[in-house]
Amino acid sequence: DQQVKQNSPSLSVQEGRISILNCDYTNSMFDYFLWYKKYPAEGPTFLISISSIKDKNEDGRFTVFLNKSAKHLSLHIVPSQPGDSAVYFCAARPDGSGNTGKLIFGQGTTLQVKP
Amino acid sequence: DAGVIQSPRHEVTEMGQEVTLRCKLISGHNSLFWYRQTMMRGLELLIYFNNNVPIDDSGMPEDRFSAKMPNASFSTLKIQPSEPRDSAVYFCASSFLSRDQAFFGQGTRLTVV
Repeated sequence: DQQVKQNSPSLSVQEGRISILNCDYTNSMFDYFLWYKKYPAEGPTFLISISSIKDKNEDGRFTVFLNKSAKHLSLHIVPSQPGDSAVYFCAARPDGSGNTGKLIFGQGTTLQVKP
Repeated sequence: DAGVIQSPRHEVTEMGQEVTLRCKLISGHNSLFWYRQTMMRGLELLIYFNNNVPIDDSGMPEDRFSAKMPNASFSTLKIQPSEPRDSAVYFCASSFLSRDQAFFGQGTRLTVV
């Protein structure tokens, strides 16, 4: 039973356009969500996060939207750059422990940004 | 700070052998997490520690797996005996409790033949 789902294994966009990565979750008790980016042969690196009490968080080219009623979040990258090509993981914190390393990850979406 | 440091980066071992993976936390961090990434199950949490104390080991697949924190800056994950299905990338991550994010190491790619 996968509690965090990224249904699109891959996404390809043109440089300069918007990339939208989607994530669905099943557990309404999740209180914090994060996006991690991973390049080959490296560990995941933190990108952006959002608390369940908010519906939007923006950091430069990256914006995360949270729709709690739909149990859905999305990551928007505008404009997309070739260096953004990586695997993007959606992750959720399963309880209110405050421990942001205890995460449930989605399967990941491979983003390719074409020049 | 050099970040979370894992060793070795690659390990190839024969079935039945003991394998020890190592992790050095970022200085000042007090939480330590071991994750495993496989094609079938993705990234899954195996165990985590707060202040050197194991808090949740429910993700450890079998008794063949054990993890320790002999001090505040270092952890080991041991598999004994190893099996081919243990082949995966093992990540260590550390954080300061209640802060925004955990920092991951570069991972150890384990192959058991």
